[in-house]
Amino acid sequence: AQSVAQPEDQVNVAEGNPLTVKCTYSVSGNPYLFWYVQYPNRGLQFLLKYITGDNLVKGSYGFEAEFNKSQTSFHLKKPSALVSDSALYFCAVRDQSNDYKLSFGAGTTVTVRA
Amino acid sequence: GAGVSQSPSNKVTEKGKDVELRCDPISGHTALYWYRQRLGQGLEFLIYFQGNSAPDKSGLPSDRFSAERTGESVSTLTIQRTQQEDSAVYLCASRSIAWRGGNEQFFGPGTRLTVL
Repeated sequence: AQSVAQPEDQVNVAEGNPLTVKCTYSVSGNPYLFWYVQYPNRGLQFLLKYITGDNLVKGSYGFEAEFNKSQTSFHLKKPSALVSDSALYFCAVRDQSNDYKLSFGAGTTVTVRA
Repeated sequence: GAGVSQSPSNKVTEKGKDVELRCDPISGHTALYWYRQRLGQGLEFLIYFQGNSAPDKSGLPSDRFSAERTGESVSTLTIQRTQQEDSAVYLCASRSIAWRGGNEQFFGPGTRLTVL
């Protein structure tokens, strides 16, 4: 079985401040982990993924995420948030023994105020 | 290159009518997914196609829902006798399995279905 939890429905930060969106996962084996962003009335856009190797993954638009196996977490971070980062963010996981099915978290709405 | 496209972008229908939603995946992507996203909620898996293999239909919520895909091309999701609870955004995604490992899914813009 595989699942993802995003414990915060909403995250509010001021522009220029660090942004963190939390994600924890549960898999029976080793995970593939993904972050997607969804802007209003748009589909999901891929941000970054962890497959193997370096625990710190860098992705699009200045985002990065750190894979922490002991804490089963994959938090998304950005050192300095922009108003344009305001969107809905989804974490997703796939057990490596599972060929295709992703499990998505419920999503976290990020609001960056000017 | 072209991304995943979906049509129509918006569909308003009356309760009890049938609707057909279309998805054009990225060329060369053999894997195709349909998801449902209700307002303010996450993604609900509906169905998965991979090449000529039998699809995984485990997420279809009722027998009013069906989907087809011919080979590795276009897919259609059909909802018969629509109900108001079917109102949602229906998202399609495709993925390459050229490297079986961790290829990401690429999403279309979605079809917003409103059942009156």
